[in-house]
Amino acid sequence: GQQVMQIPQYQHVQEGEDFTTYCNSSTTLSNIQWYKQRPGGHPVFLIQLVKSGEVKKQKRLTFQFGEAKKNSSLHITATQTTDVGTYFCAGPVWGTYKYIFGTGTRLKVLA
Amino acid sequence: DVKVTQSSRYLVKRTGEKVFLECVQDMDHENMFWYRQDPGLGLRLIYFSYDVKMKEKGDIPEGYSVSREKKERFSLILESASTNQTSMYLCASSLDGFEAFFGQGTRLTVV
Repeated sequence: GQQVMQIPQYQHVQEGEDFTTYCNSSTTLSNIQWYKQRPGGHPVFLIQLVKSGEVKKQKRLTFQFGEAKKNSSLHITATQTTDVGTYFCAGPVWGTYKYIFGTGTRLKVLA
Repeated sequence: DVKVTQSSRYLVKRTGEKVFLECVQDMDHENMFWYRQDPGLGLRLIYFSYDVKMKEKGDIPEGYSVSREKKERFSLILESASTNQTSMYLCASSLDGFEAFFGQGTRLTVV
């Protein structure tokens, strides 16, 4: 079946260090979305990228969508303790209503 | 304020019981989804619906069924609960191709 893998699965960083998570889909996605899930919470939408090669920034967060619309990345500059959580990529499989999520990257930030 | 409401936050059921998980959204969204979340596996799609009475299997539909008689309500049914269905269940809704809004989740334990 269609899969979306994220690496790494876990990442521990010191506060102030940078962090990157990579998302790779086995199938083309119509767009890519990123979500953040705090411990004990549900996933909350961060951003959507639609065009291949698109790059978007949100303060310390930079998001990229690959040319083939199968991969994406999220980079956080100078992490803070408030960045703690699990980050998921997600998106609709091209031409369908099927909405799939990645395996997630759990980020821990040490003060 | 947009809202997706799941009927229970915590549920304990016995093996073999028929279990109903209810989800209601107040945003007039066409699309609704049921996922289960397990550590290291991300959010796996069980079933989704893109219109009233329309449903499609996701990646792990075995042992589950769904019902969507009204646009705002999407129910997940475990026909005969088993211990390997112990998990966090998340319901979401969205407009086509746009961000998904999640309920607070139901932590189901099957004993």
